[in-house]
This record gives sequence, C-alpha cells and structure tokens, in this order.
Amino acid sequence: SQQGEEDPQALSIQEGENATMNCSYKTSINNLQWYRQNSGRGLVHLILIRSNEREKHSGRLRVTLDTSKKSSSLLITASRAADTASYFCATDDNYGQNFVFGPGTRLSVLP
Amino acid sequence: GAGVSQSPSNKVTEKGKDVELRCDPISGHTALYWYRQRLGQGLEFLIYFQGNSAPDKSGLPSDRFSAERTGESVSTLTIQRTQQEDSAVYLCASSRVGSYNEQFFGPGTRLTVL
Repeated sequence: SQQGEEDPQALSIQEGENATMNCSYKTSINNLQWYRQNSGRGLVHLILIRSNEREKHSGRLRVTLDTSKKSSSLLITASRAADTASYFCATDDNYGQNFVFGPGTRLSVLP
Repeated sequence: GAGVSQSPSNKVTEKGKDVELRCDPISGHTALYWYRQRLGQGLEFLIYFQGNSAPDKSGLPSDRFSAERTGESVSTLTIQRTQQEDSAVYLCASSRVGSYNEQFFGPGTRLTVL
C-alpha cells in the first residue's frame, strides 16, 4: 500500500469556501510536501513542512503536520475557481529519499 | 533554461518496441528523479540519481526499465519491449541537495503503447 494517501479522493466546493485535504502516511518521514497538478500540466510545489514543524502558512495555504498521527492537512482558504486541480502529498524517509506520493485529491471549485 | 525540460512531450509506440525518454534538469541541481503517473493515479517513484552516488533504482517496476544520467546533467529513461501497461505520463524532477529537497518537475512525457 502507498505511504502517502490523501482523502477525500474528490472534493467539490463553491468559490469562496475553504477546502481541506488530508494526507496519511505509514513510516517515519523527513519532510512532507504538497503539490498541485492542473489537468495536463506538470506538478507544482506548494509547500514543504519538516518533520519537526507543526504548521506552515503560505498565502491562502495552511499545512499542518501531526507526526504522532502520521497525518497532514492542507487547507486552502477563500477558494477560487483557479484552485481547481489535483493535490498530492509526498513524503520522503529519514534519509531524504524514497519519495512516495499519494493518489491525490481532485478539487473542483465551482464559480 | 529556467525549468526542467523533457522530451518528447508525447510518444506513441507499438508494443514490443523500445523507447527512450529524455530529461534536462535545472542547472546546478544534483538530484534527479523519475516518476510514472498512470491515468487517474498518483505518482509512482521509479529512480533517483544523486551526484556520483549509485542511483536508487528501487522503484523500477521491471528489468525492462533502465535509466542513465551523465554527470549532473541529462538523464534518459529507457523502456525496452514496451507493454500496454507502460502507457503513462513519465515525469522527471530535479532538486538541489539539502534538507529541503524541493523538487521541480518537468511537464512530462505522455507515453502511449498500442
């Protein structure tokens, strides 16, 4: 089974609402990263949180990390139609290697 | 160049043929990664190059898959005797060495095996 697994698999919200996506993993990590992928495009790095950090902000993004529960969440506030994309979490191991991506959450923001 | 580039952007081949995919990382990035993304699925790690160290090949799905990297520049991913299940987007990423490991991804090569 995969190291990183996001839920929900798909999320549909109205513009202006907040979107929360979760990621769970199984083994010890060095970093956890969130990426966005627009349809037919390459991945775009959003935010990286280190294993000794609990929360990070970047613009409308807020990421939390709970290493005791082996989980992370990505919150997008005041969503926009342009936020429509797939969001992936990725983890690497304590050696900074063995990157594993989850299957992603497909977010649809309706105007 | 400003980012990671990959070629070709699309490749259609017949079952049983060999294909070669190319990745040009960002200059100065010593780490290079190959991933596979099947339709509707997450990324699957294939192989990782770091400087002159032996590559981490733990993600390669079979011995039909191989990759080479010349120094800290171009990498090629070769798939021999392609099968239909090899159809996917193959993504390359590069990063600097360090604790952050932020990876910069190329646009991918879409491989279709008929």
